[in-house]
Amino acid sequence: QSALTQPASVSGSPGQSITISCTGTSSDVGSYNLVSWYQHHPGKAPKLMIYEGTKRPSGVSNRFSGSKSGNTASLTISGLQAEDEANYYCCSFAGSTTFWVFGGGTKLTVL
Amino acid sequence: QLQLQESGPGLVKPPETLSLTCTVSGGSISSSSYYWGWIRQPPGKGLEWIGSIYYSGNTYYNPSLKSRVTISVDTSKNQFSLKLSSVTAADTAVYYCARFITAAGNFDYWGQGTLVTVSS
Repeated sequence: QSALTQPASVSGSPGQSITISCTGTSSDVGSYNLVSWYQHHPGKAPKLMIYEGTKRPSGVSNRFSGSKSGNTASLTISGLQAEDEANYYCCSFAGSTTFWVFGGGTKLTVL
Repeated sequence: QLQLQESGPGLVKPPETLSLTCTVSGGSISSSSYYWGWIRQPPGKGLEWIGSIYYSGNTYYNPSLKSRVTISVDTSKNQFSLKLSSVTAADTAVYYCARFITAAGNFDYWGQGTLVTVSS
């Protein structure tokens, strides 16, 4: 069982928006602004999409955005495109004993 | 463009030691801004951080794996390595190496991963 809880799957039609949640605790997501999100197409290297909760690396589409409320972080993808279909993982710092924890992943299907 | 490539045996027998190497190209492993880490994904499960190392050799590990994990670095070869001892079937996973930006707390470059199966 992963430390952070994500829905197993979400889906949306092209052009729509979807949000993937990542629920942790006051020991990880709730205490630090160090949540990152990764896009993973099977067989390829995971790709960093969001870091420090809300920041986008250079080259990542502004259709991807991150937010946090309490112990839950969220990734929103607007204007869904077929190439967004992938698995998405969240990650958070969890203190100087546990360090880094990941979510179980969410499979995004673009209908 | 930075690239990371995992290498090592695809099959390990229990209770032997799993050994993997990550070769970094397109950049120096000795950069002061980064740690280098290992992450794994068991079949059908989520990602799990294993541990990270600085070019100086400073390491920190997932507490749940700490007793079995050793990560080392060879700056002359621009490589870092993972050893996981006393493996069981539960250690079967795709193993990824990645660059870690300490200040921002994220893994910004990843290898494509290598599947390691633990089976007799």
